[in-house]
Amino acid sequence: AQKITQTQPGMFVQEKEAVTLDCTYDTSDQSYGLFWYKQPSSGEMIFLIYQGSYDEQNATEGRYSLNFQKARKSANLVISASQLGDSAMYFCAMREALYGNNRLAFGKGNQVVVIP
Amino acid sequence: GAGVSQSPSNKVTEKGKDVELRCDPISGHTALYWYRQSLGQGLEFLIYFQGNSAPDKSGLPSDRFSAERTGGSVSTLTIQRTQQEDSAVYLCASSGNSGGGTDTQYFGPGTRLTVL
Repeated sequence: AQKITQTQPGMFVQEKEAVTLDCTYDTSDQSYGLFWYKQPSSGEMIFLIYQGSYDEQNATEGRYSLNFQKARKSANLVISASQLGDSAMYFCAMREALYGNNRLAFGKGNQVVVIP
Repeated sequence: GAGVSQSPSNKVTEKGKDVELRCDPISGHTALYWYRQSLGQGLEFLIYFQGNSAPDKSGLPSDRFSAERTGGSVSTLTIQRTQQEDSAVYLCASSGNSGGGTDTQYFGPGTRLTVL
């Protein structure tokens, strides 16, 4: 079964606008972590933001925030004030404590293109 | 400080040959991971090393794949008798695995393997 679902088609975003990337997850574990990574065309995976399953506050890191809705099992990424450099693939990932190995399960990714 | 480094950045080989991919993790990180990213399969976990413990090899797709980590630092992923379906980007990541906090995995730039 797919652990992480990212179903949005490629998105075009106007520079300076906000964009929300959807991510839903599936786990029976009570303790887990959710991550978002950015992968520009250069290929490197860049860590953006983390949300723990027990965190009561939504995570924020600069222009990135995570809209965590635990009951719905969703962890949407919000990028505010988009910049041209935000054009990339964005991956949602989950780490489940029950595996005991910290491995990440990744979604298929969302393609974002920021236009001037 | 230096991030995760991988070499080579690109590798082209002929079907049936063996290849070795190298990963140098962030200094002081005790956990090291290998993932594979291909168009058809997305990002897949391959293997996990934690300190001196036996590695978790549960993600390796066949016995042609093996990995070792010498001295708790540098890791080598070896693919024997390469097949065309092995063509992918091989990503290495490391984390501090402090047992607390986020244990975020930081990725290297990857090795793009092409099997002709």
